[in-house]
Amino acid sequence: NAGVTQTPKFRILKIGQSMTLQCAQDMNHNYMYWYRQDPGMGLKLIYYSVGAGITDKGEVPNGYNVSRSTTEDFPLRLELAAPSQTSVYFCASSYSTGQPNTEAFFGQGTRLTVV
Amino acid sequence: QQQVKQSPQSLIVQKGGISIINCAYENTAFDYFPWYQQFPGKGPALLIAIRPDVSEKKEGRFTISFNKSAKQFSLHIMDSQPGDSATYFCAATFSSGSARQLTFGSGTQLTVLP
Repeated sequence: NAGVTQTPKFRILKIGQSMTLQCAQDMNHNYMYWYRQDPGMGLKLIYYSVGAGITDKGEVPNGYNVSRSTTEDFPLRLELAAPSQTSVYFCASSYSTGQPNTEAFFGQGTRLTVV
Repeated sequence: QQQVKQSPQSLIVQKGGISIINCAYENTAFDYFPWYQQFPGKGPALLIAIRPDVSEKKEGRFTISFNKSAKQFSLHIMDSQPGDSATYFCAATFSSGSARQLTFGSGTQLTVLP
């Protein structure tokens, strides 16, 4: 089972460059999330989606954009990379029926360095 | 307030000892409290979770203790093993409009010495 697949695993960007982090899940989950993980700061929610065509901002959305055209894919776009976006990015998905006991499944992460 | 505060930031325990990680929250809308375990180079994975109407949940060597009145919960790892060395995140979920959100603590890096 593939689960949640993120690509690339590593990337170095120059300041001002753009890139898209890819995320795909094969579990038919309705919810998908993007988090960033910084040392000692835990996981901060960037954007999330409750279904195809529906996205919403999380705690730290500035500098990022997302789209959700299909159930399976949830790409994260960085338009003008800044050093502050150096982080490890995790995509996650879950199947939510509105009940509390929802398990999120995470990808292996993308380590992004902006220089 | 969506924050979940976690302590300590790092923890070193001898093999066979008890590891204890604490979390506190303010938002009474939180209605589910999972713990996630993350090994280096991997994404977090669900370890154990508890509902706020339960004071304790045990799965093998892992136990969550929950104090609703104090808005605190903790993870206890009994007979800690070197293979338990990982980063542990407490988390909380709540409904925001039609969506459920998952918010994490800052993480605890656990090292179990052989």
